[in-house]
Amino acid sequence: AQTVTQSQPEMSVQEAETVTLSCTYDTSENNYYLFWYKQPPSRQMILVIRQEAYKQQNATENRFSVNFQKAAKSFSLKISDSQLGDTAMYFCAFMSALSNFGNEKLTFGTGTRLTIIP
Amino acid sequence: EADIYQTPRYLVIGTGKKITLECSQTMGHDKMYWYQQDPGMELHLIHYSYGVNSTEKGDLSSESTVSRIRTEHFPLTLESARPSHTSQYLCASSESWTDLYGYTFGSGTRLTVV
Repeated sequence: AQTVTQSQPEMSVQEAETVTLSCTYDTSENNYYLFWYKQPPSRQMILVIRQEAYKQQNATENRFSVNFQKAAKSFSLKISDSQLGDTAMYFCAFMSALSNFGNEKLTFGTGTRLTIIP
Repeated sequence: EADIYQTPRYLVIGTGKKITLECSQTMGHDKMYWYQQDPGMELHLIHYSYGVNSTEKGDLSSESTVSRIRTEHFPLTLESARPSHTSQYLCASSESWTDLYGYTFGSGTRLTVV
């Protein structure tokens, strides 16, 4: 079974600064997907960024980028020029790319609560 | 705007009552999921479905039940609510032809059993 670990329960950073959230995972599979989700207070969880394991290039979405280290099984999220609206819980998640029933489930980490300070 | 809807948004109910949490999506997704989110915010999969008449229990044992009679509808039922059921319940759906896009989540139902 896969596991996802987020070792930073809480983080805070000044507005406009850069912050990096850590995520490690454990799997014996070679092909899989990794995701970062954002859950603002009392609001819907939304997808921030995704990475396919077979792609070496790190994914980037505007101010959000990842550092994907496949050998180290590490998948950190970097938020540049942080904004007040970035305040949220951030979840790292893993999904197997095997298309068998039972594998298409997201396994989540325990989350990191990020606070952007004005 | 996400096209997955959960009702009610908040619910306070007495012990022993039967409740149904509604989840509907308009995206035609075959796969749907229910997660329970505890006060520490950790997410636990309690039920999932890969299509009509398909339901499976998730990783976390739950006293709730689900049904999938229509593609767009995936309700969760608690026959007899207890205080231990107090939690946030998140519904999600995903494409059947690719897992690349992950899940689309509803806004959640925050349930309090008194």
